[in-house]
Amino acid sequence: EAQVTQNPRYLITVTGKKLTVTCSQNMNHEYMSWYRQDPGLGLRQIYYSMNVEVTDKGDVPEGYKVSRKEKRNFPLILESPSPNQTSLYFCASSYLNAGELFFGEGSRLTVL
Amino acid sequence: AQKITQTQPGMFVQEKEAVTLDCTYDTSDPSYGLFWYKQPSSGEMIFLIYQGSYDQQNATEGRYSLNFQKARKSANLVISASQLGDSAMYFCAMRELRDDKIIFGKGTRLHILP
Repeated sequence: EAQVTQNPRYLITVTGKKLTVTCSQNMNHEYMSWYRQDPGLGLRQIYYSMNVEVTDKGDVPEGYKVSRKEKRNFPLILESPSPNQTSLYFCASSYLNAGELFFGEGSRLTVL
Repeated sequence: AQKITQTQPGMFVQEKEAVTLDCTYDTSDPSYGLFWYKQPSSGEMIFLIYQGSYDQQNATEGRYSLNFQKARKSANLVISASQLGDSAMYFCAMRELRDDKIIFGKGTRLHILP
């Protein structure tokens, strides 16, 4: 089954404790992206990647890191999480310059 | 600058009526795509419909159609014969093909009344 898989789905952590949210897709998509969703703000792009070893900042990259060492994986790293990073995070993938963006189920992160 | 605007934060519509959700966009890229996604209360993002900037005809998918008016830079979603299950948050999005950046609007929460 074609899918984008994120883990963990839910996480409560404390300020400053490094965490990684994993994202994996099995559709051989070149394009992968991370979004955060906050009430009243819609989805805002954090980082995106158009291929292995190619990453670009989205609109809200501060406080986040990503890497794209393999085509299928695009982890989101919070080196020192802060409460303002409490949010619902989505990973998504697609072919380059194509139509539909396929989303993971979302990861709800709470930073205390 | 790339921008998506959804001016309706919330809407209430009677069941079986048609619904139009507004979306306007701004881009300098002549090649772009426009999407609509549905997010029910369970949280997942469900793809509804896609329109390319060079497509001559408006996209349709079952009860969903995209009213694409290129000169006005609008891409409204029309849902015909609304159902209770259409109650959800709806997001409009744009993909510029020049740099493959994808941005979303802030969403419209649609409530279908029985």
